Amino acid sequence: DVKVTQSSRYLVKRTGEKVFLECVQDMDHENMFWYRQDPGLGLRLIYFSYDVKMKEKGDIPEGYSVSREKKERFSLILESASTNQTSMYLCASSSRRGQALNQPQHFGDGTRLSIL
Amino acid sequence: DQQVKQNSPSLSVQEGRISILNCDYTNSMFDYFLWYKKYPAEGPTFLISISSIKDKNEDGRFTVFLNKSAKHLSLHIVPSQPGDSAVYFCAALNTGNQFYFGTGTSLTVIP
Repeated sequence: DVKVTQSSRYLVKRTGEKVFLECVQDMDHENMFWYRQDPGLGLRLIYFSYDVKMKEKGDIPEGYSVSREKKERFSLILESASTNQTSMYLCASSSRRGQALNQPQHFGDGTRLSIL
Repeated sequence: DQQVKQNSPSLSVQEGRISILNCDYTNSMFDYFLWYKKYPAEGPTFLISISSIKDKNEDGRFTVFLNKSAKHLSLHIVPSQPGDSAVYFCAALNTGNQFYFGTGTSLTVIP
């Protein structure tokens, strides 16, 4: 079974702090993703990575950065946290298309982040 | 611009009846479609998928239908059970590796 592990289930930080959200997957997946989920807006893609040290902006990258130094780990960084970044953050991974039959994304349990 | 749309934010169904969740998409390049189920405080879990070369895929109580000409897919749950109460997201994949998600439909199955 694929396991995607997010380092924290709940996190409370203050405005202006630098925040790190960590995600680790154990299935040797090439692709990793960070989403945020807000009521009425569904899942919005922040950043994704299709290989080590590679990253692509998603729909809402402003105020965020990412790091992928190792294949199994994908970190989301809030450079200077703001209250509008209070949200549920979800990490996901998937195998690369073309190397296997179509495979779904697998998600972690999410991090509920509150910025005060 | 939302490429995958779920126009019903919520749906209530009696236990034992059929639940039908709908999803529309705009990009004709999508060729793989998925449904995810999400409980509160948990990540989405994969439920069922369908390739664009098919028009139906069935897995137990869950069936996904794809109408390519209408750019529409639906998820049928028969019979519905209280444990099916969750938020359901549809998603689509094009030739790349990026998934596009709808905004979700909250299903409540009433005992």
